[in-house]
Amino acid sequence: NAGVTQTPKFQVLKTGQSMTLQCAQDMNHNSMYWYRQDPGMGLRLIYYSASEGTTDKGEVPNGYNVSRLNKREFSLRLESAAPSQTSVYFCASSEIFRQGGNSPLHFGNGTRLTVT
Amino acid sequence: GEDVEQSLFLSVREGDSSVINCTYTDSSSTYLYWYKQEPGAGLQLLTYIFSNMDMKQDQRLTVLLNKKDKHLSLRIADTQTGDSAIYFCAESNTNAGKSTFGDGTTLTVKP
Repeated sequence: NAGVTQTPKFQVLKTGQSMTLQCAQDMNHNSMYWYRQDPGMGLRLIYYSASEGTTDKGEVPNGYNVSRLNKREFSLRLESAAPSQTSVYFCASSEIFRQGGNSPLHFGNGTRLTVT
Repeated sequence: GEDVEQSLFLSVREGDSSVINCTYTDSSSTYLYWYKQEPGAGLQLLTYIFSNMDMKQDQRLTVLLNKKDKHLSLRIADTQTGDSAIYFCAESNTNAGKSTFGDGTTLTVKP
């Protein structure tokens, strides 16, 4: 099992360019998440998908869109990249999304994005 | 909203015990997690504790939970150089089940 796979690993964009970060999991998990990690700010949730067909905003959704393409895949799109979106982006999945807490998250290895 | 706080750095000698502390604010937290992040990699779950437990032990790892003070700690016995990493505390609560992460504690183990 590969777990959670993210592509690309690295990306450099110019301000105003668009791109899509891809994420796929092979663990048959229901829930998927996109986080960004910035120095001194921990991980912040951008968007999540509790189950196939649903998506919801997290803590920092502005400037991003997501698509839950199927149960396996959850993509993150930057329509018009800004330098403030320079970060490391992590996709994660979990087995169950339920009231009372979610199961532990399984993370991909991240996409390191620089916007100049 | 929910908040999770950790000290940023900890340095120990190889063979000593490490204790990483975490405080959280959400009294409805139901699961509390410890994740480990090595350079260039994503986070990996180390261990977790349910909020109705006081302690959980897993080989060299001991998690202590003081629910009254909303304080969580991770003790690593016989710390090795391979334990050098960033350790994240996270909580998950009844509010839609999302996890909130602390900023991470960078553990440095000196030989």
